[in-house]
Amino acid sequence: KQEVTQIPAALSVPEGENLVLNCSFTDSAIYNLQWFRQDPGKGLTSLLLIQSSQREQTSGRLNASLDKSSGRSTLYIAASQPGDSATYLCAVRSNSGNTPLVFGKGTRLSVIA
Amino acid sequence: GAVVSQHPSRVICKSGTSVKIECRSLDFQATTMFWYRQFPKQSLMLMATSNEGSKATYEQGVEKDKFLINHASLTLSTLTVTSAHPEDSSFYICSARTGYSSYEQYFGPGTRLTVT
Repeated sequence: KQEVTQIPAALSVPEGENLVLNCSFTDSAIYNLQWFRQDPGKGLTSLLLIQSSQREQTSGRLNASLDKSSGRSTLYIAASQPGDSATYLCAVRSNSGNTPLVFGKGTRLSVIA
Repeated sequence: GAVVSQHPSRVICKSGTSVKIECRSLDFQATTMFWYRQFPKQSLMLMATSNEGSKATYEQGVEKDKFLINHASLTLSTLTVTSAHPEDSSFYICSARTGYSSYEQYFGPGTRLTVT
């Protein structure tokens, strides 16, 4: 059964700092991996989706990498801003047909002005 | 991008009553819908998967008679929490996908259920 782990569980950084969030998964046979943002009491906002054949995706100040063989992904946030404060969730879809995303517990990020 | 809506966004009900949550795909046909629940400061836990016109497949530990899922059309799925109890209070999020090989799941904004 696929398990997704995110480290750290919480992170507090000063504004302007670059940071890395980590995600690991136990079964490397994945179809894709997705990073989401969730604000308190709100739904999910998709940030980046990486197909299993890709190694990274970029969107603005965000860069996500994927090392499928080692079961790891990182989300890099450059020049962090207070508006980046949220919970960041990593989710993977296994490479076995009509399967849903499996989520990690998330990293709660606070960017201090 | 594809839009998924949920209604209501918040609901408070008394213990023992039933509550229905609707999930709609607004600009695409959702052959598959997923229902997740999320407890405070926890991740999303999959409850069930439903394909249009078929019975839902429930995850282990989820009571199918308590959480009734109907996916009668390609744009609508409903989750009914029957005989709700305070421990059912949670954030329920639906997700939709267009096909078996679709790349992405699209998520609704969630429904906050509070059972008093």
